[in-house]
Amino acid sequence: QQQVKQSPQSLIVQKGGISIINCAYENTAFDYFPWYQQFPGKGPALLIAIRPDVSEKKEGRFTISFNKSAKQFSLHIMDSQPGDSATYFCAASMVSVSNTGKLIFGQGTTLQVKP
Amino acid sequence: DAGITQSPRHKVTETGTPVTLRCHQTENHRYMYWYRQDPGHGLRLIHYSYGVKDTDKGEVSDGYSVSRSKTEDFLLTLESATSSQTSVYFCAISEGVPRYEQYFGPGTRLTVT
Repeated sequence: QQQVKQSPQSLIVQKGGISIINCAYENTAFDYFPWYQQFPGKGPALLIAIRPDVSEKKEGRFTISFNKSAKQFSLHIMDSQPGDSATYFCAASMVSVSNTGKLIFGQGTTLQVKP
Repeated sequence: DAGITQSPRHKVTETGTPVTLRCHQTENHRYMYWYRQDPGHGLRLIHYSYGVKDTDKGEVSDGYSVSRSKTEDFLLTLESATSSQTSVYFCAISEGVPRYEQYFGPGTRLTVT
């Protein structure tokens, strides 16, 4: 119930292509869904986040699509660039229930963008 | 970058020895977290703190203890290290409501032989 399942585990995309990473959850109490980006040797950093009252959020080339009925959300990276090569984590939290901000992370997706 | 440091950055220790990892912040954020990162498991929460001397368990707390005697410091202790605790450990901080973003430190790579 507390799990967040992320796929694929790894992804190779050509420069200029669209990268898509998917996540699914079971607990309907989750109400905050961030994506984190991690470069090798660094800590993760927040990329973009969404609350369930909207179905889509876009920031530059990064878009989160959210499907509340299916309990799924996805990250789309448009016009993927070699500099986007990193590991991406989806996560979920119950911020309305608890303000501790505890995050449940997905397993991670390693993205490689080929020039 | 958020002011978070972790020490040590790398450590090799033997099975059965105690180990303490330190997280230090200069942001005066209320919440602090310890995660471990392992291939195929993402990041898993070990313990977290919601104030000085206020801590609670996360998903994978067995074999770990924490202490927070000052706002800026959060210590993670492995009382008797085991090989299964070989991992990369990340500290994170957060202001909490209404900003839920967590800022991560650079990580500590721990190897237990």
